[in-house]
Amino acid sequence: AQRVTQPEKLLSVFKGAPVELKCNYSYSGSPELFWYVQYSRQRLQLLLRHISRESIKGFTADLNKGETSFHLKKPFAQEEDSAMYYCALKNQAGTALIFGKGTTLSVSS
Amino acid sequence: DGGITQSPKYLFRKEGQNVTLSCEQNLNHDAMYWYRQDPGQGLRLIYYSQIVNDFQKGDIAEGYSVSREKKESFPLTVTSAQKNPTAFYLCASSINAGNTGELFFGEGSRLTVL
Repeated sequence: AQRVTQPEKLLSVFKGAPVELKCNYSYSGSPELFWYVQYSRQRLQLLLRHISRESIKGFTADLNKGETSFHLKKPFAQEEDSAMYYCALKNQAGTALIFGKGTTLSVSS
Repeated sequence: DGGITQSPKYLFRKEGQNVTLSCEQNLNHDAMYWYRQDPGQGLRLIYYSQIVNDFQKGDIAEGYSVSREKKESFPLTVTSAQKNPTAFYLCASSINAGNTGELFFGEGSRLTVL
């Protein structure tokens, strides 16, 4: 079965603290994983994808096939990082994305 | 101004009525999608279309219907058969079926059934 699990509904951290948003997946074969972000009053948008191995706004995510995880990390959280974050997996047919339930990140000063 | 436009933003419907949500894109994208977003449920796929005049059911297609007569348009009809239609609906597009990981989203339509 293809599935994306984000175990935390809400993650609250202080400004400057490290952030790790957890994402685990279930998939047969080589998965393609993504992180999407939705800031307040803005559209849902792509943050990063694992195949690019990029860092966007200080966030990185590494695919760990052994642990079937794709956690999103940032060493020093900023208040503007407060948003809803969704982990997503391309389905087996390659035709659409399967999304997790999302994690709300709240960064306070 | 390129992008995806969904209308209406807010819609109220009485039980037993069908309602159609509009989704238009001027990005020249081949593929389009409809997701439903419920609190604590994330996004769930309703229907998708990889090309004009073709569409497939997603995970929760029951009670919904779509059409794709034009490349830029992918309207969603919520029928009276949908048992729990009150939700936030998101339309998205991607350049083509091969780039389904990079979705561009609309602002959404909130449907409330009274």
